[in-house]
Amino acid sequence: GAVVSQHPSRVICKSGTSVKIECRSLDFQATTMFWYRQFPKQSLMLMATSNEGSKATYEQGVEKDKFLINHASLTLSTLTVTSAHPEDSSFYICSARGAGEAYNEQFFGPGTRLTVL
Amino acid sequence: SQQGEEDPQALSIQEGENATMNCSYKTSINNLQWYRQNSGRGLVHLILIRSNEREKHSGRLRVTLDTSKKSSSLLITASRAADTASYFCATDAQGGSEKLVFGKGTKLTVNP
Repeated sequence: GAVVSQHPSRVICKSGTSVKIECRSLDFQATTMFWYRQFPKQSLMLMATSNEGSKATYEQGVEKDKFLINHASLTLSTLTVTSAHPEDSSFYICSARGAGEAYNEQFFGPGTRLTVL
Repeated sequence: SQQGEEDPQALSIQEGENATMNCSYKTSINNLQWYRQNSGRGLVHLILIRSNEREKHSGRLRVTLDTSKKSSSLLITASRAADTASYFCATDAQGGSEKLVFGKGTKLTVNP
């Protein structure tokens, strides 16, 4: 199956700093990438959908100025958590969908654990 | 917005037994997918069932879909300790939406 990687897998930062998370599709071109957030023992909540070369579409309640998403190429999307605070601590997961998919199968990255001190 | 709801929230069984997890959703869908997540890891796609399908098999997995009841079930037969994980259903929406909406998940523990 298609492989999606995330980097870093784990990051600890101080409150007020910014953190960038990368999501890469390794063996296919991802026209669409999705960013999810998962709090402990909870389900995945979609934060935003990004299409290559265009602005991301954010879900209701997600601050676009706080969670900056860039999808500059067909294999890379980045999520930057700006001025991170402890309440931003969470597990961030990206997924990618290839072009021409007949159905909505998304391939998920392994996730990034963010801890804000 | 639609949301899948799995039940039970947690399930503990012995190795070799079957595990059944259920998922209900609220709106019409194109397809429904099941994913597995090991603790602290990403999601692994297990199986997709389209809205015009009623049952699908993949190895030890059996998925059913009842669109009239807006529900699906995932059966894992002859469970193994390695099946211990959280299982989520995810639905999209008719009309071509790319978004997946995930249920709350069932935490399965298979005791050796």
